[in-house]
Amino acid sequence: QKEVEQNSGPLSVPEGAIASLNCTYSDRGSQSFFWYRQYSGKSPELIMSIYSNGDKEDGRFTAQLNKASQYVSLLIRDSQPSDSATYLCAVSPNTGNQFYFGTGTSLTVIP
Amino acid sequence: SQTIHQWPATLVQPVGSPLSLECTVEGTSNPNLYWYRQAAGRGLQLLFYSVGIGQISSEVPQNLSASRPQDRQFILSSKKLLLSDSGFYLCAWSATGTGDEQFFGPGTRLTVL
Repeated sequence: QKEVEQNSGPLSVPEGAIASLNCTYSDRGSQSFFWYRQYSGKSPELIMSIYSNGDKEDGRFTAQLNKASQYVSLLIRDSQPSDSATYLCAVSPNTGNQFYFGTGTSLTVIP
Repeated sequence: SQTIHQWPATLVQPVGSPLSLECTVEGTSNPNLYWYRQAAGRGLQLLFYSVGIGQISSEVPQNLSASRPQDRQFILSSKKLLLSDSGFYLCAWSATGTGDEQFFGPGTRLTVL
């Protein structure tokens, strides 16, 4: 069983603060890592993908990957109320086409 | 650019009735296609994926089936719905290749009564 674990939250941060979302995975052979944002009642939207150890920045979002620790995180700088959503971590193994999703972390940004 | 469509958007069906959900992708050729289910308050469960016409892999044994009659069309079916089939059904596509990003359609919310 390839597991992806996320803190379910809810996580609340004030507007303008940094939100930190964490994800651990069990399959050491995993090669591709993704963060999705899902607003209530909507489908998941891809916001970040990361394949190599280290940081990857895209606007206010930074994904961090540490394969040795089997850990991937998402930082959201200058959080806005529009960032309030559930964030899903997804992991893809070295072979095959499946993604394994965590159950998501609910984020609320308080104005 | 690529777009993915699903219909219907919402569906209310009685227990024991059949089901057919459709997904189509535009703007790409030979995509990998996926059906997921998201039950209330739970994560995404992969149901089926397809790497080509007529090629279906099932991840979870259940009363659902999938078919891919055309390159960019993916259909999820059931002969007899169960209460436990209620959920948010999501179709996704990715380019051919391991680990490629998956992009989701708008989803179908199914309620079985």
